[in-house]
Amino acid sequence: SQQGEEDPQALSIQEGENATMNCSYKTSINNLQWYRQNSGRGLVHLILIRSNEREKHSGRLRVTLDTSKKSSSLLITASRAADTASYFCAGNAGGTSYGKLTFGQGTILTVHP
Amino acid sequence: SQTIHQWPATLVQPVGSPLSLECTVEGTSNPNLYWYRQAAGRGLQLLFYSVGIGQISSEVPQNLSASRPQDRQFILSSKKLLLSDSGFYLCAWSKSSYEQYFGPGTRLTVT
Repeated sequence: SQQGEEDPQALSIQEGENATMNCSYKTSINNLQWYRQNSGRGLVHLILIRSNEREKHSGRLRVTLDTSKKSSSLLITASRAADTASYFCAGNAGGTSYGKLTFGQGTILTVHP
Repeated sequence: SQTIHQWPATLVQPVGSPLSLECTVEGTSNPNLYWYRQAAGRGLQLLFYSVGIGQISSEVPQNLSASRPQDRQFILSSKKLLLSDSGFYLCAWSKSSYEQYFGPGTRLTVT
């Protein structure tokens, strides 16, 4: 079963606008991670937020986590055409040493120049 | 620095033929290793993971198997491919329960 469910499934915006993607998960997590995938390529880790954190920033990325609602959001500010990609959230349930992740279905982001 | 390699990049195989996909990691020791399958460019499904040489855990029943003959080598195999085995196969490594680092993937088409 999928841990994360992203919303929306697809998002189309103009360059310079902000992009917000949401993720909901079902079971308790130790941390939640966001990944980016360019078409036909491997995934690239963007940011990790621990269960005891509420917000985290990295460059133009802002991630929030609400464990009471079992949800997270990824905000990309001042988007660029190069941000066009699929974005996935992935939950790590913890309690193990191997870091097994359960991925959501992803949001396809298209940024028009 | 660490790097992860996968080969081949693309593969077209007939139904019933065997499969062997290889993944190797450089620049780290005793990594956790993972095989994922991605269908239609959407979510990833974890197939196998390994925390050490010779140790394999399977996440879903399927036509595939995995092996870890060396510390930084992870192999995905099948004796007889099915049409449903088509997809994008991704290998990843990690240390503990934090971020995973993905290889470039193998696009498998079973005809």
